[in-house]
Amino acid sequence: EAGVAQSPRYKIIEKRQSVAFWCNPISGHATLYWYQQILGQGPKLLIQFQNNGVVDDSQLPKDRFSAERLKGVDSTLKIQPAKLEDSAVYLCASSLAGTGAYEQYFGPGTRLTVT
Amino acid sequence: QQQVKQSPQSLIVQKGGISIINCAYENTAFDYFPWYQQFPGKGPALLIAIRPDVSEKKEGRFTISFNKSAKQFSLHIMDSQPGDSATYFCAASIVAYKYIFGTGTRLKVLA
Repeated sequence: EAGVAQSPRYKIIEKRQSVAFWCNPISGHATLYWYQQILGQGPKLLIQFQNNGVVDDSQLPKDRFSAERLKGVDSTLKIQPAKLEDSAVYLCASSLAGTGAYEQYFGPGTRLTVT
Repeated sequence: QQQVKQSPQSLIVQKGGISIINCAYENTAFDYFPWYQQFPGKGPALLIAIRPDVSEKKEGRFTISFNKSAKQFSLHIMDSQPGDSATYFCAASIVAYKYIFGTGTRLKVLA
């Protein structure tokens, strides 16, 4: 079974530029999550999708971050404009719906450096 | 109340020894407690998980001990190996399967 795919793996941008990350979840997983992991900290949930719909985006800085999940499969997370404090690893995870949603499977992440 | 406090921040164990990582929580609504293992440059991988109606769960060399009254849970790694050297995160899940992660423990097992 293929795991969660993410691209790019690394990205370096200057502050005020924009950036986009892509995620392809495990086939059949209805729930998709985006996390931000700052160096030395645990992952923090940014947004959670159930199929096409947003379940929780309470910790997403909506003035600069946006995310979409078209057709209930792939998802993109965008930052515009980026700030220095956005430097982090952005992790995508997916899970089944219902009680299977407890087990989340993570991708390798995209390491973003904002200079 | 949504926090999960994890300790220690780092841990060094001799090969063959027992590694113990502790987590504590406040919110009694948490209903699922997973442990994740993360190697450098990789995403976290689910290691083992427990629900609050069980006091202990064992999978191979990994055991979760859960103390509901104290609102604490811990990961024990028996016969620790150099390949276990990684960062370990505890987490707690609340309604809608939202994870709150601990701050992580960097484990180093000496050969």
